[in-house]
Amino acid sequence: AQTVTQSQPEMSVQEAETVTLSCTYDTSESDYYLFWYKQPPSRQMILVIRQEAYKQQNATENRFSVNFQKAAKSFSLKISDSQLGDAAMYFCAYRRRTDKLIFGTGTRLQVFP
Amino acid sequence: DAGVIQSPRHEVTEMGQEVTLRCKPISGHNSLFWYRQTMMRGLELLIYFNNNVPIDDSGMPEDRFSAKMPNASFSTLKIQPSEPRDSAVYFCASRFRGSGTDTQYFGPGTRLTVL
Repeated sequence: AQTVTQSQPEMSVQEAETVTLSCTYDTSESDYYLFWYKQPPSRQMILVIRQEAYKQQNATENRFSVNFQKAAKSFSLKISDSQLGDAAMYFCAYRRRTDKLIFGTGTRLQVFP
Repeated sequence: DAGVIQSPRHEVTEMGQEVTLRCKPISGHNSLFWYRQTMMRGLELLIYFNNNVPIDDSGMPEDRFSAKMPNASFSTLKIQPSEPRDSAVYFCASRFRGSGTDTQYFGPGTRLTVL
């Protein structure tokens, strides 16, 4: 069965600095998708970034980028120029071609001024 | 465009009562998902529908839980009778199945408290 592991329950970063959140996953599939979702205190789940496994190029969305290492089954999220509004729970998620999203346990990110 | 709409946003009820949660997916989306989030178990998929048809309900915890999708723009999740351990945030999500990455978009959630 596929699993998603986020080994950092909590992380903190100074405003304007860079932080990296870790995620590893276990799968025997070769075709799948990976996602990072953000959940602020409002509880809304917001898509941050996504990556197709067949693409070697790492996805980037403004200040958010990923380091996708397929062989190592690693999918880390880098947040550059951190802002106070980035404070939230971040969930890594995996989905193969069928429909289930499998979530990690989340990393709580604190941003200090 | 309106996102996924869920109602109510908060629900407080007493043990044994029936609870109905509602979801309106994004227009044009053909897959709908119900999730439950608790501190102990994190985010769990309860059930999902493709084209209004339930595909996988293996995450539904017990017979007390049931979900329906009578049309492409509406779904309900019902708990009868409710129990205190059902207290959680329930999310609905939708997507257009068949596009590239098939991203799921989440509603704001319903916080359920069963006393």
